Amino acid sequence: DAMVIQNPRYQVTQFGKPVTLSCSQTLNHNVMYWYQQKSSQAPKLLFHYYDKDFNNEADTPDNFQSRRPNTSFCFLDIRSPGLGDAAMYLCATSRGQGRDEQYFGPGTRLTVT
Amino acid sequence: AQSVTQLDSHVSVSEGTPVLLRCNYSSSYSPSLFWYVQHPNKGLQLLLKYTSAATLVKGINGFEAEFKKSETSFHLTKPSAHMSDAAEYFCVVSDRSGGGADGLTFGKGTHLIIQP
Repeated sequence: DAMVIQNPRYQVTQFGKPVTLSCSQTLNHNVMYWYQQKSSQAPKLLFHYYDKDFNNEADTPDNFQSRRPNTSFCFLDIRSPGLGDAAMYLCATSRGQGRDEQYFGPGTRLTVT
Repeated sequence: AQSVTQLDSHVSVSEGTPVLLRCNYSSSYSPSLFWYVQHPNKGLQLLLKYTSAATLVKGINGFEAEFKKSETSFHLTKPSAHMSDAAEYFCVVSDRSGGGADGLTFGKGTHLIIQP
């Protein structure tokens, strides 16, 4: 089945130690998104790629970076995780334009110790 | 600018009774509207979407929603709740048309509790 896959499902990192979360998709969608979701809150968009074009949300901290080496894969890098970065990180894809529905992966729950 | 208001943070119903989750939106253009469900520690799953076709939209798992432009509402309903419906529900709006892709605007979510 076509799907959005996130690895790992659970990630523990130390305060200040860089961490990378990965997302892959078999849907061949043009757009890939990264969201941060804290407990009992709605997902918050960090950034997205339309093909190779990177679009950063204005309030996304510089500590968060992303890479999309090809259509199928997208990575979220947190350069120096703080305790406040502990959250669920959701990857999503869509075929194209803003009206298209997004398909979400299962998420990676990040714990910062 | 677009916004979404989910009127109830928590809704509790008994199994077998109807479900109503309320959503109001604000949009400068003709919006697309979505309902997503999120079970604990899982990603979001699309329940249904409205994109300017029929105003009554049927989704998965027996859910449906009606787009009412005059009331700027997109309430989610189900005739008979099941225990497996217990989850967080997000109403989402997008009024971007053409051009590049953008994220969606999420409501704050409604936590649905099903009483046995």
